[in-house]
Amino acid sequence: QVQLVQSGAEVREAGASVKVSCKASGYTFTNYGISWVRQAPGQGLEWMGSISGQTGDTNFAQKFQGRVTMTSDTTTTTAHMELRSLRSDDTAVYYCAKEGGGYGSGRRDFDYWGQGTLVTVSS
Amino acid sequence: EIVMTQSPATLSVSPGERVTLSCRASQSVSIYLAWYQQKPGQAPRLLIFGASTRPTGIPARFSGSGSGTEFSLTISSLQSEDFAVYYCHQYNTWPLTFGGGTKVEIK
Repeated sequence: QVQLVQSGAEVREAGASVKVSCKASGYTFTNYGISWVRQAPGQGLEWMGSISGQTGDTNFAQKFQGRVTMTSDTTTTTAHMELRSLRSDDTAVYYCAKEGGGYGSGRRDFDYWGQGTLVTVSS
Repeated sequence: EIVMTQSPATLSVSPGERVTLSCRASQSVSIYLAWYQQKPGQAPRLLIFGASTRPTGIPARFSGSGSGTEFSLTISSLQSEDFAVYYCHQYNTWPLTFGGGTKVEIK
């Protein structure tokens, strides 16, 4: 069965960086992209960006351009998201999510989600 | 970017009632629209993709409709486990965007 298992909670000071991992299993990793979505306390869902499992190409929301890096390791079937220059308003639960359709399908809904990683930024 | 607007923000309903949630896109997203359900402390769960397709395992009481800029999610008879927050999500155009959510609460 498909599983996305994320790394544990992190606490960082403002200005630092954080790297969150997402271990995928139960499907062909290179056939599907992974997106990162975050949720601040009591708030809605915010798409941060995605990485293609096939090509490694990335797309980011403009507000994170230059501050986020997304990578995927096909040997370990693990995706990583690094966010730099952290601010207090980056405090959120960060989710990885698998695209519902394969490469080129156009299906970029999210059929499986990780359990979430709480990142707390102290100022 | 495409702005997704959900209404209402909160819906108070009784179990067994039929409910309809709305989602409007600031420009056409064709049928590239998904709906998710999220309960407190849990990750979102995909309910509908392609505006009207239910993934395997999603109960038939959930249905989606619409295309272009106007979409709706209908729950035909609300069950106790359906009280949650519902989000729409367009994946037609980068950047992908979510609506602000509709909370369905017990009346």
